[in-house]
Amino acid sequence: EVQLVESGGGLVQSGGSLRLSCAASGFPFSTFDMHWVRQAPGKGLEYVSSITSDGGGTVYAKSVKGRFIISRDNSKNTLYLQMGSLRAEDMAVYYCAREIAVVPVKAFDCWGRGTLVTVSS
Amino acid sequence: SYVLTQPPSVSVAPGQTATIPCGGTNLGSKSVHWYQQKPGQAPVLVIYYDSDRPSGIPERFSGSNSGSNSGNTATLTISRVEDGDEADYFCQVWDSTTDDIVFGGGTKLTVL
Repeated sequence: EVQLVESGGGLVQSGGSLRLSCAASGFPFSTFDMHWVRQAPGKGLEYVSSITSDGGGTVYAKSVKGRFIISRDNSKNTLYLQMGSLRAEDMAVYYCAREIAVVPVKAFDCWGRGTLVTVSS
Repeated sequence: SYVLTQPPSVSVAPGQTATIPCGGTNLGSKSVHWYQQKPGQAPVLVIYYDSDRPSGIPERFSGSNSGSNSGNTATLTISRVEDGDEADYFCQVWDSTTDDIVFGGGTKLTVL
């Protein structure tokens, strides 16, 4: 069974840092591009960041560029998101998502259950 | 940056057909994907590449992006709507010119 399990969320003060992890299982993790998407309470989905299958290419939304770093360890089947200089507007449920492999159109065919990041002032 | 526009809500009676639009400039030139999200759950991909269904998604779900409204509107259609279809639906595209991934604001589907 394909599974993505996020962890690392929690309460952090404004300006603080947090590292999220996403453990993958049930598929060849090293062959898939991966992404982070977030959802603020009661709001819609917002793209955060992407990383290619080999980790050599990364992309960030303007809202997090320079503050967040996406990475992966294919030997551990794990995706990471290092978040720094956290702001109130970063408070959200963070989902990791697998990019569909059938066609190169950047659709997400598998999602984790998410981990909640709360930023206090 | 690219913007996708969805109506906040759509209502439909059970057994009827629901259509959820997603608007964007020159949207017909992009591939549109659709996600269903029920309360407290992660999103689920229901349509990708405009009109393809992932395995396990019922044939009642279909998508089009074939030039409606001068090529600016894609549509998710749900036939024979069931109570279990009540959820938020989000459209999404990849803007290859900026390498940005964009979601619509979401549409809440209410089954009357």
